[in-house]
Amino acid sequence: DSGVTQTPKHLITATGQRVTLRCSPRSGDLSVYWYQQSLDQGLQFLIQYYNGEERAKGNILERFSAQQFPDLHSELNLSSLELGDSALYFCASSGRSGNEQFFGPGTRLTVL
Amino acid sequence: KNQVEQSPQSLIILEGKNCTLQCNYTVSPFSNLRWYKQDTGRGPVSLTIMTFSENTKSNGRYTATLDADTKQSSLHITASQLSDSASYICVVSPLDDYKLSFGAGTTVTVRA
Repeated sequence: DSGVTQTPKHLITATGQRVTLRCSPRSGDLSVYWYQQSLDQGLQFLIQYYNGEERAKGNILERFSAQQFPDLHSELNLSSLELGDSALYFCASSGRSGNEQFFGPGTRLTVL
Repeated sequence: KNQVEQSPQSLIILEGKNCTLQCNYTVSPFSNLRWYKQDTGRGPVSLTIMTFSENTKSNGRYTATLDADTKQSSLHITASQLSDSASYICVVSPLDDYKLSFGAGTTVTVRA
């Protein structure tokens, strides 16, 4: 158990819909990262937050947005969903140094 | 072009045998290189982390090596077990950037 929690575990929705994925980092970790992993693909970095502020942006679509709240939990919002958005979405957290990222169990999103 | 290339893409080995996975990277300068193990449908778990000045790091039956001159790393699995069946991901952290570079992973299948 990495100490990072993600909800929900599974999500099934239809094209055009909007969903919110939630992540709670390990206790004391200020950084939260979001990744997308499509079937048989590597992890794709989406975005990073540090202590509530956006720090780095990767290949995140304009239809996607994220935020980190004062209690350090983070949410990833996916809107106007398309079939190609079906993937595993992972959240990771790290401490101040950022040397080690601890991954959550992921949310499996299926868009029908 | 991906800055982290892993080979082979997949391999099958018999239980008890050894295997070596390769990682070539172009990220430079880099802060550290990590190997993660990802079981199917689960979040990656860190196996080893090496700074640019380290040559080798072990974690049980897993041994990682790093040659910063040739920009190559390898992960050696000794006396493989069925539970070693997973994807192994090489991740390089740039020195002056928060975005990690992920390899596509090597899928290892251990057969009895």
